[in-house]
Amino acid sequence: ETGVTQTPRHLVMGMTNKKSLKCEQHLGHNAMYWYKQSAKKPLELMFVYNFKEQTENNSVPSRFSPECPNSSHLFLHLHTLQPEDSALYLCASSQGGLFTDTQYFGPGTRLTVL
Amino acid sequence: DQQVKQNSPSLSVQEGRISILNCDYTNSMFDYFLWYKKYPAEGPTFLISISSIKDKNEDGRFTVFLNKSAKHLSLHIVPSQPGDSAVYFCAAALLNQGGKLIFGQGTELSVKP
Repeated sequence: ETGVTQTPRHLVMGMTNKKSLKCEQHLGHNAMYWYKQSAKKPLELMFVYNFKEQTENNSVPSRFSPECPNSSHLFLHLHTLQPEDSALYLCASSQGGLFTDTQYFGPGTRLTVL
Repeated sequence: DQQVKQNSPSLSVQEGRISILNCDYTNSMFDYFLWYKKYPAEGPTFLISISSIKDKNEDGRFTVFLNKSAKHLSLHIVPSQPGDSAVYFCAAALLNQGGKLIFGQGTELSVKP
C-alpha cells in the first residue's frame, strides 16, 4: 500500500472553474513534489517543497498554485486552466529534499479540462 | 531541448532473456541518474540509481551502467520476467541546482512468455 495518497483520482473541470488537488504522505518525509505527465511528453517536475519551503518552481504557469501547509500535505490549486493542462498530476515525497533520496509517488490525479 | 532522451519508445523481449534499456543525456553536469518503472494506472516506482562517480550499480536482476564519456546509461534486466512489462523512465538529477530531476520519455518494455 502506497504511503502517498492523492485525491481526487479523477477530475473534470471547465476552464473557468477553481479546483484543488490534494496530496498526503504518511511516511514522515520532509520533501514533497508535484509532477505533470502529459500524453507523449516526459514526466515534468513542477514544484518542490523541502521542509514546507518551496525550493523549485519549474517555470510553471501561475494558473497552477501550490500550497504546503505542513510536511505531510501538499495542495495544487487550479484556476482558469486550459485544455492542454489535461494530464496526470503526480505527487511524490522523499525523506530529504535531494534527489538522491528515493521519491515515492502517489497514484496520481487524472485531470481533464474541458 | 530534450536533455534526457530514451530513443526507443518500445522494446519486446522473450522471457528469460536480457532486456537492455538505453538512455542518453546531454548535460555533463548531471550528477545522479535514476530509473523508474511505471505500470498503467499507477505512479512511477523507483527502481535503481547510480551516482555520476560510478560506472555500474547492481541490485538483483537489475544493473545500471553509466558511460560518462558517451553520456549514456543503460538498464539491464536479466533474466527478464513477464512481470517486468512496464514503462521504464530514466531520469537525471542536478543536485547543485536545488534538486532538479529531468526525465526521459520512457520506453515500454514487453516481456513475452
